Amino acid sequence: RKEVEQDPGPFNVPEGATVAFNCTYSNSASQSFFWYRQDCRKEPKLLMSVYSSGNEDGRFTAQLNRASQYISLLIRDSKLSDSATYLCVVGNAGGTSYGKLTFGQGTILTVHP
Amino acid sequence: NAGVTQTPKFQVLKTGQSMTLQCAQDMNHEYMSWYRQDPGMGLRLIHYSVGAGITDQGEVPNGYNVSRSTTEDFPLRLLSAAPSQTSVYFCASRPRLAGGRETQYFGPGTRLLVL
Repeated sequence: RKEVEQDPGPFNVPEGATVAFNCTYSNSASQSFFWYRQDCRKEPKLLMSVYSSGNEDGRFTAQLNRASQYISLLIRDSKLSDSATYLCVVGNAGGTSYGKLTFGQGTILTVHP
Repeated sequence: NAGVTQTPKFQVLKTGQSMTLQCAQDMNHEYMSWYRQDPGMGLRLIHYSVGAGITDQGEVPNGYNVSRSTTEDFPLRLLSAAPSQTSVYFCASRPRLAGGRETQYFGPGTRLLVL
């Protein structure tokens, strides 16, 4: 089983749609959680951190379920500019001295007119 | 504050040639790493470093060498390029993870084609 698993998609949605991505992780000791966005031929960039109580940033809502080891990202009112690959990232401060970040393979989103 | 910088942006090599991919960061992060990204494979860790003079292997280290003489710089060397090393290479840096909001910053990437 992969440490961080995502549905690779692709998700093809019309503008204005609501879309949700899910991510599961295998290490129950994981302590930090993030969603990154990667545009075509660009580097991954932090979209948002995921907090235990859930958090919103404009049209984006992230949720964490530690009991089920599950993270989600909800995008409301999709824009053409939301088209990208969304990477789920899980951090574990234990183990090696500097901790370990594990990246999912990414979920591809295409928003069409 | 430039963040993480990488050079070159693009490179074409012939099989057997050597080259060094440069990476630098100005955030005083002790942890730096190199990834390669291939279609359908996601980001794979090549080598990482937790400080000057300290390096270690990641998931796919074969064919690559690294060194870390300063906190700022972390070059990646291909000693004898092979077509299988055709990929996009990302350098990244971050602080120590403490279970909070620490996250990782990526450079813009180097696209390498080995013929």
